[in-house]
Amino acid sequence: EAEVAQSPRYKITEKSQAVAFWCDPISGHATLYWYRQILGQGPELLVQFQDESVVDDSQLPKDRFSAERLKGVDSTLKIQPAELGDSAMYLCASSGGQASYEQYFGPGTRLTVT
Amino acid sequence: AQSVTQLGSHVSVSEGALVLLRCNYSSSVPPYLFWYVQYPNQGLQLLLKYTSAATLVKGINGFEAEFKKSETSFHLTKPSAHMSDAAEYFCAVSRSNTDKLIFGTGTRLQVFP
Repeated sequence: EAEVAQSPRYKITEKSQAVAFWCDPISGHATLYWYRQILGQGPELLVQFQDESVVDDSQLPKDRFSAERLKGVDSTLKIQPAELGDSAMYLCASSGGQASYEQYFGPGTRLTVT
Repeated sequence: AQSVTQLGSHVSVSEGALVLLRCNYSSSVPPYLFWYVQYPNQGLQLLLKYTSAATLVKGINGFEAEFKKSETSFHLTKPSAHMSDAAEYFCAVSRSNTDKLIFGTGTRLQVFP
């Protein structure tokens, strides 16, 4: 069964450092989402791509966060500089194909900023 | 604007007892509704979804949910809890089949032997 891949699974970084997360969606899925889940809360959308174009980045803190999806396949989310409040689980999801409305989630990257 | 409210951040049941997790939504358009389950340090897995077809939706692992427009509710139930059902459950709403999901704050289900 096809899955969304994410790496790394866990990342510990110091405040003010740069950090990057990678996501490989299910093959053929045109829509890719990055969500942030703070401990004890539900996930919230950071950015949504349709192929290589950004559809929604209204909740992305653009002064420190950036996201790209070159060639419309895999995607990278970057934080520079990281702040203590960025500690969270970063989830990638993709959708497309016949069941276009179902979002499939990856295992997530747990970020701890010290 | 859309939102989801999950009543009860923690629910505890005995193994074999009925599971009822509550979800109320707010939406200005006909909603797409979802229930996801999350195990510790893992991603989210879709349990079931409502997309304006049958109001009673059956999902995986014996779970089902009923869409009640008059009550703006989409509660999740399972007749008999199993120890493996212990996890965090999230209700979510979306405006369309490609729009972002808006999640509730989650309900942690504990199952006691």
